[in-house]
Amino acid sequence: AQSVTQLGSHVSVSEGALVLLRCNYSSSVPPYLFWYVQYPNQGLQLLLKYTTGATLVKGINGFEAEFKKSETSFHLTKPSAHMSDAAEYFCAVGLHGSGNTGKLIFGQGTTLQVKP
Amino acid sequence: SQTIHQWPATLVQPVGSPLSLECTVEGTSNPNLYWYRQAAGRGLQLLFYSVGIGQISSEVPQNLSASRPQDRQFILSSKKLLLSDSGFYLCAWSDTEPEAFFGQGTRLTVV
Repeated sequence: AQSVTQLGSHVSVSEGALVLLRCNYSSSVPPYLFWYVQYPNQGLQLLLKYTTGATLVKGINGFEAEFKKSETSFHLTKPSAHMSDAAEYFCAVGLHGSGNTGKLIFGQGTTLQVKP
Repeated sequence: SQTIHQWPATLVQPVGSPLSLECTVEGTSNPNLYWYRQAAGRGLQLLFYSVGIGQISSEVPQNLSASRPQDRQFILSSKKLLLSDSGFYLCAWSDTEPEAFFGQGTRLTVV
């Protein structure tokens, strides 16, 4: 069975500082990996995804994540935090196969606070 | 481009009352459709998914049901709401790509 663990339910950084949100997954087969962002009372927006190929993936708003198979990790980073980055971030895994598109297993989420 | 509409945005319902949440997708044909629930302080949990009209799979036992009467319409229902049904309900769709695309969600409070 697949699972996702996000280390740290709350992360606080200063504006301009590095953002690092941690995600580890468990899967018996190589998964698809995703990061979504959720602003208050809104749906989820896809930040980036890893399917195959290059293990460093770049997403929207300056975020990127690196798939490390040996560490079963997919940490999200951004070099310089902006106030508008304050939101909740979810890591998710999906399975291969046409019958599994969109069926995602989510972590518990990490709330990012950005201090001025 | 594809868009997903979900309504209402917020809903307050008494215990024991019925529920109907609706979701429609535009700009795509035969999408996979999903209902997820986000309970307070928790991640998202997949409730139902559908790969076609009338085809519904339930991921967890619960007080809710889902229906897909048309290709791009997905409905979440309950005959009698429980307090534990409160949460943030998100409709989503996917096609050939592995990711899901989410609606804006419905905040349901059962009182």
